[in-house]
Amino acid sequence: EAQVTQNPRYLITVTGKKLTVTCSQNMNHEYMSWYRQDPGLGLRQIYYSMNVEVTDKGDVPEGYKVSRKEKRNFPLILESPSPNQTSLYFCASRPTGSSYNEQFFGPGTRLTVL
Amino acid sequence: AQSVSQHNHHVILSEAASLELGCNYSYGGTVNLFWYVQYPGQHLQLLLKYFSGDPLVKGIKGFEAEFIKSKFSFNLRKPSVQWSDTAEYFCAVRGFNTDKLIFGTGTRLQVFP
Repeated sequence: EAQVTQNPRYLITVTGKKLTVTCSQNMNHEYMSWYRQDPGLGLRQIYYSMNVEVTDKGDVPEGYKVSRKEKRNFPLILESPSPNQTSLYFCASRPTGSSYNEQFFGPGTRLTVL
Repeated sequence: AQSVSQHNHHVILSEAASLELGCNYSYGGTVNLFWYVQYPGQHLQLLLKYFSGDPLVKGIKGFEAEFIKSKFSFNLRKPSVQWSDTAEYFCAVRGFNTDKLIFGTGTRLQVFP
């Protein structure tokens, strides 16, 4: 089944404890992206990647890192999480090469930073 | 600046009522437009999309949206809502030949039986 998967789905952590949220897609998509969703703010892009080893900042990149060593994986790294990073995180992917392609979203990761 | 506005933050309806959710965007150039739905506790699912052609597009579950270029709008409609339509709805825009998807702040719809 074509899908975007994220792990973990729920995470409670404490300030300063490094964490990684994994994202994987099995559709051979070039483009991958991370969003955070906050009440009243909708979804805001954190980072995106056009292909392997090509990443760039989105609208709210502060406090986050990403890597794209393989086409299927796009982990989101919080080196030193803070309470303002408590949010719902979504990974998404889409094929490039045509403007008629939609994004596919993962199930979300609910992160709480105490 | 590129942006998407959803003016209705919270809509409450009874079953069988008609629905219209507003979406206006600010973007210079050709755009692709989307409506996504997020049911409670679930991820975003594509409801419908507009790329070109007929400005009235039909999506899943009886939803439709009309692209009015002169008004920079892409309002979502459904003639008769059901309790199962309770969800959050997001409008999004993407510039033609770009990859970045810009979301509105979302509209929370509650439908009561």
